[in-house]
Amino acid sequence: AQSVAQPEDQVNVAEGNPLTVKCTYSVSGNPYLFWYVQYPNRGLQFLLKYITGDNLVKGSYGFEAEFNKSQTSFHLKKPSALVSDSALYFCAVRARFSGGYNKLIFGAGTRLAVHP
Amino acid sequence: SQTIHQWPATLVQPVGSPLSLECTVEGTSNPNLYWYRQAAGRGLQLLFYSVGIGQISSEVPQNLSASRPQDRQFILSSKKLLLSDSGFYLCAWDRGQSEAFFGQGTRLTVV
Repeated sequence: AQSVAQPEDQVNVAEGNPLTVKCTYSVSGNPYLFWYVQYPNRGLQFLLKYITGDNLVKGSYGFEAEFNKSQTSFHLKKPSALVSDSALYFCAVRARFSGGYNKLIFGAGTRLAVHP
Repeated sequence: SQTIHQWPATLVQPVGSPLSLECTVEGTSNPNLYWYRQAAGRGLQLLFYSVGIGQISSEVPQNLSASRPQDRQFILSSKKLLLSDSGFYLCAWDRGQSEAFFGQGTRLTVV
């Protein structure tokens, strides 16, 4: 089955420390991978994507993610966390379903809490 | 540039009342359109998606329906709301393999 897993419900990090939010996927074919962030009572904001090319992709607000094909992972990282990074983070992958449609499949989300 | 509008931002409706949430996209044509529901600030549940006018696919059987009367307009409806319909509803659009863009969401509370 095509799916995305975010194994951690919550990640706690001290301000200034590096952060990692984990994501693994299972899709047939080449994956198109995305990270989104959501602040309370707001829609999702696009952070970054991997389509092809360099395995390390850089996105908004200093975030980056590393695509690892052998481990089927796409972990989100930031060298130095800010308190304002505290939010809900979603990993997503495009998957093709019967009928030719391709849709975004989202992980369950990981809540990032950055402490002063 | 493309923008997506979703309204209202918040809505409190009694059980058994009808529902209509509207979403419009500007600055693009023939987008794929989606309705998601998010419960308790966590995962997203895909409710409906549409690849064109009048083409609606339902992901989960439920008390809701969707329509796409125009290329860039997507409407989520219900004839009679249930308590379990409460949640945060998000509209989104994309083109092909690119990232999706989300509206600001509607917080629906059924009382």
